[in-house]
Amino acid sequence: NAGVTQTPKFRILKIGQSMTLQCTQDMNHNYMYWYRQDPGMGLKLIYYSVGAGITDKGEVPNGYNVSRSTTEDFPLRLELAAPSQTSVYFCASTLGGPGNTIYFGEGSWLTVV
Amino acid sequence: ILNVEQSPQSLHVQEGDSTNFTCSFPSSNFYALHWYRWETAKSPEALFVMTLNGDEKKKGRISATLNTKEGYSYLYIKGSQPEDSATYLCAPRENRDDKIIFGKGTRLHILP
Repeated sequence: NAGVTQTPKFRILKIGQSMTLQCTQDMNHNYMYWYRQDPGMGLKLIYYSVGAGITDKGEVPNGYNVSRSTTEDFPLRLELAAPSQTSVYFCASTLGGPGNTIYFGEGSWLTVV
Repeated sequence: ILNVEQSPQSLHVQEGDSTNFTCSFPSSNFYALHWYRWETAKSPEALFVMTLNGDEKKKGRISATLNTKEGYSYLYIKGSQPEDSATYLCAPRENRDDKIIFGKGTRLHILP
């Protein structure tokens, strides 16, 4: 059971570089989410998607972009990386109904230097 | 639901003692509430999904209750153990809102 898979697990970026964090799920979930871990602030929602072709902003979308061309994949792109984007990023998915569990990937550790 | 309050922010509990903490949310348009256990450097682990007023759920020594009319949920841990040290997150959801917003969490430290 793969569940939610994130790549890469670790990455170091230089200021101004761009990169894409990959997220894929094999549970046929319509709803997918990207979060970042902020110290003392828990998980902050960056972007989310309720289905292929549909994306929307969360709490902290600035500096990020997403796309959802398939149900399985929800990549997160960082344009012009900044030190403030140093964080642990989590992708999550769920079927969407009220009683459905949210499944998380194992996280991607990103450092911007 | 953007206005999620979790209290206390941090809690130190002696091993063997029981404890509880709170997740508060606006009571209108309630849809569901999720509780997660989150250890540093790991992905959040699902504890409970609660949907009905008066719901009580239990998983081993951990249990949760839900009051949607007054807008709160309690998480209880009975007989705390060192492995209970973690951050406990809640995410209440509003009807017709697809965003899932987490509270800042309660950081639980179990003292030996």
